[in-house]
Amino acid sequence: NAGVTQTPKFQVLKTGQSMTLQCAQDMNHEYMSWYRQDPGMGLRLIHYSVGAGITDQGEVPNGYNVSRSTTEDFPLRLLSAAPSQTSVYFCASSVQETGELFFGEGSRLTVL
Amino acid sequence: AQKVTQAQTEISVVEKEDVTLDCVYETRDTTYYLFWYKQPPSGELVFLIRRNSFDEQNEISGRYSWNFQKSTSSFNFTITASQVVDSAVYFCALGTGGFKTIFGAGTRLFVKA
Repeated sequence: NAGVTQTPKFQVLKTGQSMTLQCAQDMNHEYMSWYRQDPGMGLRLIHYSVGAGITDQGEVPNGYNVSRSTTEDFPLRLLSAAPSQTSVYFCASSVQETGELFFGEGSRLTVL
Repeated sequence: AQKVTQAQTEISVVEKEDVTLDCVYETRDTTYYLFWYKQPPSGELVFLIRRNSFDEQNEISGRYSWNFQKSTSSFNFTITASQVVDSAVYFCALGTGGFKTIFGAGTRLFVKA
């Protein structure tokens, strides 16, 4: 069972470059979200979606864009990468609004 | 505002010791959910438990137990007879309406053989 799949697992960018982190889930979950994990700060919510066509901002949305054109996919876009966006990114999905989160394996991003 | 505080940054114990990880939360909502997740050294995030605000019964699952006290806004996690495989970062999380689950900073547990 695939669950939540994130790609790429590792990425190095230069300041100012753009990229998209891909996230796909095959569990037909309505709810999907992106978190970033930084040392000593836990996981912070970037953006989330409660269904196709609906997205909203989390705690730290600046510098990131999302869209949700299908139930399965929820890509995270960095339009102009900055060193402060160096982090580990996790995509998660849930079958209900306050249910347990199913996480992808994470994507480690380094911005030089 | 919603907030989750895990005051213990790191805990180190010797195998077979019991250890309690503290979690204190803040919310004005009357309906909310509390979670614990485990992140072993391999990096994945593993769900451990979900508890809703109307259910204050303590729960035990093998060597794991959870103590939920609304009066002190705490949801503490105890590992009995710890093992080396319990070494991980443990996150407490708070979920309220609108699919906004927020996490504490995590507690890193080291269990020495």
